[in-house]
Amino acid sequence: GQNIDQPTEMTATEGAIVQINCTYQTSGFNGLFWYQQHAGEAPTFLSYNVLDGLEEKGRFSSFLSRSKGYSYLLLKELQMKDSASYLCAVVDSNYQLIWGAGTKLIIKP
Amino acid sequence: TAGITQAPTSQILAAGRSMTLRCTQDMRHNAMYWYRQDLGLGLRLIHYSNTAGTTGKGEVPDGYSVSRANTDDFPLTLASAVPSQTSVYFCASSDSIAGGPDTQYFGPGTRLTVL
Repeated sequence: GQNIDQPTEMTATEGAIVQINCTYQTSGFNGLFWYQQHAGEAPTFLSYNVLDGLEEKGRFSSFLSRSKGYSYLLLKELQMKDSASYLCAVVDSNYQLIWGAGTKLIIKP
Repeated sequence: TAGITQAPTSQILAAGRSMTLRCTQDMRHNAMYWYRQDLGLGLRLIHYSNTAGTTGKGEVPDGYSVSRANTDDFPLTLASAVPSQTSVYFCASSDSIAGGPDTQYFGPGTRLTVL
């Protein structure tokens, strides 16, 4: 079967750094997305990785290791507005997105 | 640009009744999708359409039907609602003909409660 694992909830302090992990087992791999979803709102695109390595985009970076079936999202200089759920999604061999349940990130002052 | 709009925003529906959730996009994207999101579970694909005139079944299609008469609209119909269809429904679109790994853009969602 296909499986995406993320921690259910994480807590971090404003100004700090947090790493949200995602491990996956899917039928085929054609890339991995990270989305942000604020409570009561729609998911919005953060990043897409298809090759191994680190992609940096401002305060957010995303890493991929295809051999390990592993990705992480790194958030630096945390702000209160970063409180949200972060969704990991893998593109499988049929080019369908398989979604993790999401990680709820709580930022404390 | 509106992007993707969904209607209604929320709805309470009696079990056994039918309902159509509307989704319209103005980005001229080829592919459109319907997901449901339930607490503790990831987004689950109900139906999709890679291009106008074609549709396909996702992970949880039972009890739902879709049509894609044109590029912009992708309505989702519940023929006879059941309480297990209580969920938040998201419509999404992407600029992908072959269902490739293109970014999906989401509508604001419809919160449906079936009693």
